[in-house]
Parts: sequence; structure tokens; C-alpha cells
Amino acid sequence: GQQVMQIPQYQHVQEGEDFTTYCNSSTTLSNIQWYKQRPGGHPVFLIQLVKSGEVKKQKRLTFQFGEAKKNSSLHITATQTTDVGTYFCAGAWGKFYFGSGTKLNVKP
Amino acid sequence: DAGVIQSPRHEVTEMGQEVTLRCKPISGHNSLFWYRQTMMRGLELLIYFNNNVPIDDSGMPEDRFSAKMPNASFSTLKIQPSEPRDSAVYFCASSLWNTEAFFGQGTRLTVV
Repeated sequence: GQQVMQIPQYQHVQEGEDFTTYCNSSTTLSNIQWYKQRPGGHPVFLIQLVKSGEVKKQKRLTFQFGEAKKNSSLHITATQTTDVGTYFCAGAWGKFYFGSGTKLNVKP
Repeated sequence: DAGVIQSPRHEVTEMGQEVTLRCKPISGHNSLFWYRQTMMRGLELLIYFNNNVPIDDSGMPEDRFSAKMPNASFSTLKIQPSEPRDSAVYFCASSLWNTEAFFGQGTRLTVV
């Protein structure tokens, strides 16, 4: 069945450092979405990528969708303590299959 | 809109008891999802409804789990009988035509 793999599982950074999480699918995706879950909270939608090679930015966050629509990445520039949480990618095949998530910890 | 509403927020029950989790999706959304989240297994898709019809329940762990969506504004996830390994946070989410999923606050279930 469809699978979405995400690495790394954990990332600890010093405030101000950059952070990247990667998402890979075993099959071609119609679109990919990214979510953030704060500790104790629920996943909150960040963005959706649809086109091959698409790049989108939200302030310090940059999202990329691979040319083959099988992988994606989220890059955060100059992390802040407010970035703490778990970042999930979700592959869409009519329903949403979530990756295992990358838990980001930012040390002040 | 108040968003996706789940109840209860917390549930503690004894092994063997029946547990019913409830969800009110966002008005106008045509897809509803039930997820289970644990440290070990992450976010697992249990079942997916489209226009109140169950489309895919392949993620439902076993026959003890059942889900219904009698109308567009209400869904339930039932566990009978409950077991300690069912302890998890259960999320309901809704969306409109495969666009972003809106999650409820979740129900934290503890089976003792």
C-alpha cells in the first residue's frame, strides 16, 4: 500500500540554526501537504504542494516538491523556539497518509 | 465555524468496557477521517468517509473497532470491548475534496 517515509525522526538544533526534514513516497503523489503539531496539540495544516518541482515559501519556511512528485522537503531558516513541534508530511491518494513526523527541538 | 469538534476530550475506562468517541466535522466538508496517534506507531489512518459513506476501513485494527457516519454532521468511533493497548489519542479530521485536513482537538483515551 501507499507509504510515506520521513527523516529524520528527531532533530535538536540551537536557536538560529537551520532545519530540514525530508519526505519520500513509494509511489507518485497527487499532492503533498505539510502539517505542524505543537506538543499536546493537534496537527495544523501548513501548506499543500501540487505541481512537479514546486517551491513555496512562508516567511522562514521553504517547501519543495520533487520533480517526480515522490519526495518533498521542508526547510526552516534560522529556527526560533516557536518552531518547536513535530512536522508531518501527508501524501494524498484520496485520503491522507501521514509520514512518521520529525520532532524538532530548539534550544534557546 | 467552530472547527472540528470532538468529545470527550479525555476518557478513562476499564478494560472490557465500551467506548464511544464523537466527532462533528466542519459544515460543508465532504470527507471525514479518524486517526489514532501513539508514540510507537505515529498517526495511523483508521477509516475514511466520503459523503457519509465509508470508503476505506483497512486501517481499523480489528473487529472491536467500528465507525459510523449517520449524517454529514456527526460521526462516531466505537471500541467494544476496549483493551489497554487501545490507549492513544484519537483524532477526527474533515476536509473538502482532498484539500487541507482540519483536525479536532483529539480524545485522549486511557484504558486501564
